[in-house]
Amino acid sequence: QVQLVESGGGVVQPGRSLRLSCVASGFTFSNHGMQWVRQAPGKALEWVALIWYDGSHENYADSVKGRFTISRDDSKNTLYLQMDSLRVEDTAVYHCAKDLSAGSGWSGAWGQGTLVTVSS
Amino acid sequence: EIVLTQSPATLSLSPGERATLSCRASQTVSSYLAWYQQKPGQAPRLLIYDTSNRVTDIPARFSGSGSGTDFTLTISSLEPEDFAVYYCHQRYTGYTFGPGTKVDIK
Repeated sequence: QVQLVESGGGVVQPGRSLRLSCVASGFTFSNHGMQWVRQAPGKALEWVALIWYDGSHENYADSVKGRFTISRDDSKNTLYLQMDSLRVEDTAVYHCAKDLSAGSGWSGAWGQGTLVTVSS
Repeated sequence: EIVLTQSPATLSLSPGERATLSCRASQTVSSYLAWYQQKPGQAPRLLIYDTSNRVTDIPARFSGSGSGTDFTLTISSLEPEDFAVYYCHQRYTGYTFGPGTKVDIK
């Protein structure tokens, strides 16, 4: 079955960087667009970024544009989120998600998430 | 940015009752709207996409309707496992989520 396992979260000071990873299994990773969605403690979901199945297109929320970079390595079935210039307001659980079906654009399967805490 | 507003913020109902959740967009999202369910400590689960298409294995008691700016998620008869937070989500222009509706036990 589909599995998405995030890692790389932790406590980091404002202004520093962190890279999240999401290892995928149970489906053909290279056929699917992928996304990152975050959720601050006790708050609603917030879409962060997406990357097309072939890596040819990326899109970012305004709140992270210019600071975060989404990428993928199909040889490792892994999705990444490079987070630079972190801010306190980036504190959240970060989930990776895969398209419901190839090209659908809807996040049909999600990982449990990894917690990022930005604090001095 | 398209803003999604959900109402009510909290819906207190008993098992067996009908739940009607609303999602309103600040501008048209055509039919590009989805609904997610999230239980405490769990990842969200996609229920409905493209306004009214139910995901495989989602029970038929869940249904979605609407178009343009006004959408509804209906749970025809609440089961104990349906008490959760529900988010609407659009991908017509950018990607945004609503603030959620909590369905709790009365």
